[in-house]
Amino acid sequence: SAVISQKPSRDICQRGTSLTIQCQVDSQVTMMFWYRQQPGQSLTLIATANQGSEATYESGFVIDKFPISRPNLTFSTLTVSNMSPEDSSIYLCSVAGDLTEAFFGQGTRLTVV
Amino acid sequence: GESVGLHLPTLSVQEGDNSIINCAYSNSASDYFIWYKQESGKGPQFIIDIRSNMDKRQGQRVTVLLNKTVKHLSLQIAATQPGDSAVYFCAESLHGGYNKLIFGAGTRLAVHP
Repeated sequence: SAVISQKPSRDICQRGTSLTIQCQVDSQVTMMFWYRQQPGQSLTLIATANQGSEATYESGFVIDKFPISRPNLTFSTLTVSNMSPEDSSIYLCSVAGDLTEAFFGQGTRLTVV
Repeated sequence: GESVGLHLPTLSVQEGDNSIINCAYSNSASDYFIWYKQESGKGPQFIIDIRSNMDKRQGQRVTVLLNKTVKHLSLQIAATQPGDSAVYFCAESLHGGYNKLIFGAGTRLAVHP
């Protein structure tokens, strides 16, 4: 199984600012994903992070609000831009690959005030 | 701090009883299904998976049943323990495990001594 490290684990941010969340994996993985989990809710996919190219966003999520980078097969970042209180959620990095099921990081708990 | 599963349906069981958690999935073309356990403050943890060419798979104290006719998935936990208390999510995917996941709403399992 892959070990996934997310930073920061939690943060409290002022509205209008941006936060970049990092996801580091201990081995090369084919697929990396970013999910959002709003308070008391299930997980919703934000986008698939593609190595060396633009991320693939799901309906309702746009690059200007959630820019994503994936410079290599072990690292990705998600930025939550121009934050509002509605962005308060848990943001989760997930990885998957051949012969392995999807694993999740511990998540970043974001509170926007 | 926020609580995972605060607004989700709850299944309450006595310690030692068997638990059955149900899930209806959305896409008849999905061919891979996973059950996750999420404890408060943590990311989802893989429990067991099943592919669409199977209707039953067993793990340690857990069994997953798949009924493709009615698009229904269930997770059975034998001899439920207090440590099983958590929120349980089913997830479905197309094209195997290394694709994006669509999550169900989730069920909170409360185990009482």
